[in-house]
Amino acid sequence: GQNIDQPTEMTATEGAIVQINCTYQTSGFNGLFWYQQHAGEAPTFLSYNVLDGLEEKGRFSSFLSRSKGYSYLLLKELQMKDSASYLCAVMDSNYQLIWGAGTKLIIKP
Amino acid sequence: DTEVTQTPKHLVMGMTNKKSLKCEQHMGHRAMYWYKQKAKKPPELMFVYSYEKLSINESVPSRFSPECPNSSLLNLHLHALQPEDSALYLCASSQDPGVGANVLTFGAGSRLTVL
Repeated sequence: GQNIDQPTEMTATEGAIVQINCTYQTSGFNGLFWYQQHAGEAPTFLSYNVLDGLEEKGRFSSFLSRSKGYSYLLLKELQMKDSASYLCAVMDSNYQLIWGAGTKLIIKP
Repeated sequence: DTEVTQTPKHLVMGMTNKKSLKCEQHMGHRAMYWYKQKAKKPPELMFVYSYEKLSINESVPSRFSPECPNSSLLNLHLHALQPEDSALYLCASSQDPGVGANVLTFGAGSRLTVL
């Protein structure tokens, strides 16, 4: 079966750095996405990785290792507005998105 | 225009009502999607329209009926729903459903409550 695992909840301090991990087992691989979703709002696209390595976009970076079936989202200089759920999703060989359950990130002052 | 617009934002309906959710995008995207999302859960795919044709129906009960009048519009017709259908219904669009970098742009959602 297809499976994506990410921690249910994480807590971090304003100004700090946090890493949210995602491991996956899917039928084929056509890329991995990270989306941010604030409570009661729609998911918004953060990053897409299809090749191994690190993609940096401002305070957010995303890393992929295809051989390990592993990705992480790195958030630097945390702000209170970063409190949200972070969803990892993998596009499988049929170009279908398989979603993880999401990681709720709580930022404390 | 880089938005997906959904109406209504909130909908309360009885189990015998018929209502519709509407979605619109003007980004020239060729694929449109309906997702259902329960609290603290990831989005669940319901339907995909690709080039205005229904390409995926994830075994959704017939009380949900999608319609794609044209490439910019997507409707979800609701009839005889159950209380467990209460959820956030998300519409999304993407440029090309057949490529890896198929980024979804989501609307703000329609929060449905079935009494």
